[in-house]
Amino acid sequence: GAVVSQHPSWVICKSGTSVKIECRSLDFQATTMFWYRQFPKQSLMLMATSNEGSKATYEQGVEKDKFLINHASLTLSTLTVTSAHPEDSSFYICSARGGPGLEQFFGPGTRLTVL
Amino acid sequence: AQSVTQLDSQVPVFEEAPVELRCNYSSSVSVYLFWYVQYPNQGLQLLLKYLSGSTLVKGINGFEAEFNKSQTSFHLRKPSVHISDTAEYFCAVSAATGTASKLTFGTGTRLQVTL
Repeated sequence: GAVVSQHPSWVICKSGTSVKIECRSLDFQATTMFWYRQFPKQSLMLMATSNEGSKATYEQGVEKDKFLINHASLTLSTLTVTSAHPEDSSFYICSARGGPGLEQFFGPGTRLTVL
Repeated sequence: AQSVTQLDSQVPVFEEAPVELRCNYSSSVSVYLFWYVQYPNQGLQLLLKYLSGSTLVKGINGFEAEFNKSQTSFHLRKPSVHISDTAEYFCAVSAATGTASKLTFGTGTRLQVTL
């Protein structure tokens, strides 16, 4: 089946630093990748949609200058949390879609803790 | 826009008992419906999906769901649960545009199976 990986699985950083999270589709080419944020005991909230080679489309209320998304290849998308603060602490999950089909394949998530 | 309501945040059940996890949605357009399962520290796995056709949808691990348009519901059922079914279950909806559309998730239901 289609496998999506994320790296790192967890990260702890100091307030003010930047953190990069990678999302890779291991056995298919992902034309579209999605980035979600999940708070404890809450739902997944879509942050942005990225298509390979184009700028990401951010959901309302998501700061594009704070959450930088790059989808430079068909197998890799990155999310960079710039100048992270404690309120950015969350579980970040990516998903990937390999074509016009509807199914998204989800990564295992990255736990970010900002001290 | 679409929205999803999962009324039950937690559902405790004994092993081998039947279970139903409730999901209601709201949308002004036709929708596609999905159920995902999330095991601890893992990504989301698709259980089943309704796109069109038969309103009774069978998925993996013995789960099934029924689409009820008049009641705007898509409840998930399993006739006999196992300990290994303990996980978080998410209902999701997307607009049935014919091309891939973004998913809107419910808040999740924690299924706790005990002996």
